[in-house]
Amino acid sequence: GESVGLHLPTLSVQEGDNSIINCAYSNSASDYFIWYKQESGKGPQFIIDIRSNMDKRQGQRVTVLLNKTVKHLSLQIAATQPGDSAVYFCAENPSGAGSYQLTFGKGTKLSVIP
Amino acid sequence: NAGVTQTPKFQVLKTGQSMTLQCAQDMNHNSMYWYRQDPGMGLRLIYYSASEGTTDKGEVPNGYNVSRLNKREFSLRLESAAPSQTSVYFCATGGISYNEQFFGPGTRLTVL
Repeated sequence: GESVGLHLPTLSVQEGDNSIINCAYSNSASDYFIWYKQESGKGPQFIIDIRSNMDKRQGQRVTVLLNKTVKHLSLQIAATQPGDSAVYFCAENPSGAGSYQLTFGKGTKLSVIP
Repeated sequence: NAGVTQTPKFQVLKTGQSMTLQCAQDMNHNSMYWYRQDPGMGLRLIYYSASEGTTDKGEVPNGYNVSRLNKREFSLRLESAAPSQTSVYFCATGGISYNEQFFGPGTRLTVL
């Protein structure tokens, strides 16, 4: 089976609210977990990554949380904007440095309601 | 800077035809990748090239061949296209961080 998956395929959020996108993983040995954003008709774009020895990492308006106990990863987007509408993919890098092969989940579509 | 460019943007093939998808980057990155993306699916790695002169199989290499022509260019060839290869193909490059890859705009391929 797929080692990286998602709880929900679609998510609708009111503009200005916070969004939480979830992801489950099965490979407890993965070294890094990553989030990508894909806007309609475009290639994916890197958002943020987190190493397995961390629980939380913050970026600009985004926070990634890692719960290794339940093998769960989430991406929180603060004050969601229409430009955040996209498909969000979680991915894992099994070996970190030296590993070129990322494993992607199936994606969650985020729709922002104006 | 153009980043990562792919040609063509769209292509329709008949079963058994061959074609080459082109990818070029001006980011001076060592690693380059080819992915396919099917509806409702994440990206699956076909082949990658860690550096000029090397190529390696990814998760789904069957039916494809690649050439790392130089540091800038990485091509993907379908020798005998099959309907199962209908997909959107993305080329990507990687810099210092193995986690941050930079994707091109994609090629939408339909095999009839």
